[in-house]
Amino acid sequence: GQQLNQSPQSMFIQEGEDVSMNCTSSSIFNTWLWYKQDPGEGPVLLIALYKAGELTSNGRLTAQFGITRKDSFLNISASIPSDVGIYFCAGQGARGSTLGRLYFGRGTQLTVWP
Amino acid sequence: GAGVSQSPSNKVTEKGKDVELRCDPISGHTALYWYRQSLGQGLEFLIYFQGNSAPDKSGLPSDRFSAERTGGSVSTLTIQRTQQEDSAVYLCASSRDGGYNEQFFGPGTRLTVL
Repeated sequence: GQQLNQSPQSMFIQEGEDVSMNCTSSSIFNTWLWYKQDPGEGPVLLIALYKAGELTSNGRLTAQFGITRKDSFLNISASIPSDVGIYFCAGQGARGSTLGRLYFGRGTQLTVWP
Repeated sequence: GAGVSQSPSNKVTEKGKDVELRCDPISGHTALYWYRQSLGQGLEFLIYFQGNSAPDKSGLPSDRFSAERTGGSVSTLTIQRTQQEDSAVYLCASSRDGGYNEQFFGPGTRLTVL
């Protein structure tokens, strides 16, 4: 099956710092998505990317869909305490996969110190 | 409008018992997905429904797992003769259709098998 490698596994940063995390895959995806999960909650969609090379922003969040369609990154600028949580990348539309089925990375645990 | 809802939020059961987990998707969403999240892991695909039919059941771990969807809306995931390794958070997501559309997740059901 398709494997997504997400890094780093965890990050400890100070409030106000910028954060960057990325995801790579052995397979090409048609869509990349980034989710955030708080404890005891389901993942919440942050950004969806539909085109290779696409760069999309959502407030302090910026994500890019890699040109090769095998990678994506997420940047968070000027982090704040409520950014704490687990961030997941997900790929969709891999060859041979069910339309819409998501493949997830293992997540990046972000801790923000005040 | 209302998001995806799941019940129960927590379920503790004894090994060998059967359990039923319920998902209410967002109204009008024709595609429904079940995922499983074990401690510290990413989300693992279980099954996909388009309407009432399940074109992809390939993620179900064993024949103890089954799912159905009625009326193109509510879905039930049933685990028979539960085992301790079934302990996980079971997450349901829905999307407008089975294409490359954004998936919205429910809060999950935390299942603990003693």
